[in-house]
Formats: sequence, structure tokens, C-alpha cells
Amino acid sequence: RKEVEQDPGPFNVPEGATVAFNCTYSNSASQSFFWYRQDCRKEPKLLMSVYSSGNEDGRFTAQLNRASQYISLLIRDSKLSDSATYLCVVTSSGNTGKLIFGQGTTLQVKP
Amino acid sequence: DTAVSQTPKYLVTQMGNDKSIKCEQNLGHDTMYWYKQDSKKFLKIMFSYNNKELIINETVPNRFSPKSPDKAHLNLHINSLELGDSAVYFCASSHLRDEQFFGPGTRLTVL
Repeated sequence: RKEVEQDPGPFNVPEGATVAFNCTYSNSASQSFFWYRQDCRKEPKLLMSVYSSGNEDGRFTAQLNRASQYISLLIRDSKLSDSATYLCVVTSSGNTGKLIFGQGTTLQVKP
Repeated sequence: DTAVSQTPKYLVTQMGNDKSIKCEQNLGHDTMYWYKQDSKKFLKIMFSYNNKELIINETVPNRFSPKSPDKAHLNLHINSLELGDSAVYFCASSHLRDEQFFGPGTRLTVL
């Protein structure tokens, strides 16, 4: 079983749609959780951290369910510029800062 | 004002050669990382240095040798290159356990 699992997609949605990505992780000792965004042939960049209480940043909402070891990302009012691969990321146990990446979910927003 | 830079951006070489990739960060971070992203887009940690000390050393062939001459630099030397080494190699830096900032990547092609 992969340590972080995501549906690779692709998700093809029209502009203005709401789209949700899910992710599960296997290590219950993971401490920190993130969504990164990676554009085609570019480096990953932090989109947002994910907290147990849920957090929102504009059109983006992230949720964490520690009991189910499940993370989600909701994008409202999709824009063409949201087209990218979204990477679910968790830290391993320990203090090394090691990040474990999911395979990524590809989003294509169409006009 | 590049935060994390890597050279070269592209590297095409023959099997059996030895090559190096260089990484530099000007963010004042104390931790640097090497990641490999293969053709299936999985991003996996290879090595990490904190204050020039190796803290993460994943199961990587010993043909790969990282070197950190100072906190701002982390180089990756690869001996006897193989076809399977073809991938994009990303350098990243952070304060330990904080957000990681990635370089633009080095696309290595082994022929």
C-alpha cells in the first residue's frame, strides 16, 4: 500500500465548477499535512497547510480527518489558472522534516 | 533573486558517465533536500542535510553521493549513470520541519 494515495484523475471541469480531491495516508503518526501544487514541467509549490479544524484560503478549503487518515481539498469557482497537479503531502514520523508525496491529482479546467 | 537554484537545468549524458548537479539557496535555511521525480510523477526524497549533517538517507544506490560544502549548497554526484536514473531531480530547502521551497529541477536523460 502506498503511504499517500490519491486518485490521479485527470479531473476535467468547466470554469466555475467546484471540484474536490481526496487523499488517504497510512502512517497514523504523521504530524503535518499539506497540499502542494505543481504546474507542468515546474517545481512543486506549497498551496496550503491542512489543519484538523479545517482551513480556508480564498476559493480553497482543506480538511483533515485524523481518525480516518483522510485529507481533502475543495476548489470553488474553478479558474483556468487552477489547471495543475495537486499533490497531497504528509510528514513522516520523527523530526527530520521528511515529506511523503502522493502521486498527485491532475486538474484541467476548461473554458 | 532566485531563492533555490539548480544547475544545470537539462543534462543529457551516456550510460556509464559520472555527472554532478548543483544546488544553492539564498533563503538562509538550515536544511536542504534532494528529491527524484520519475516518469510516473512520484516525488520521492533521496537525501537531506541539516546544518551540513546528513539526516535523511533513503534507500538510494550508493552511486548517488550528496555533498554539502556549506548550509547554502547541496550538490549531488552520480557515478556510473544508468538508464533508470533518467528523471527530474529537485533540490529544496527549508528551516527544519517548515515549508520546503523547491528549485526549478534538473531534467536528467541517460541515453
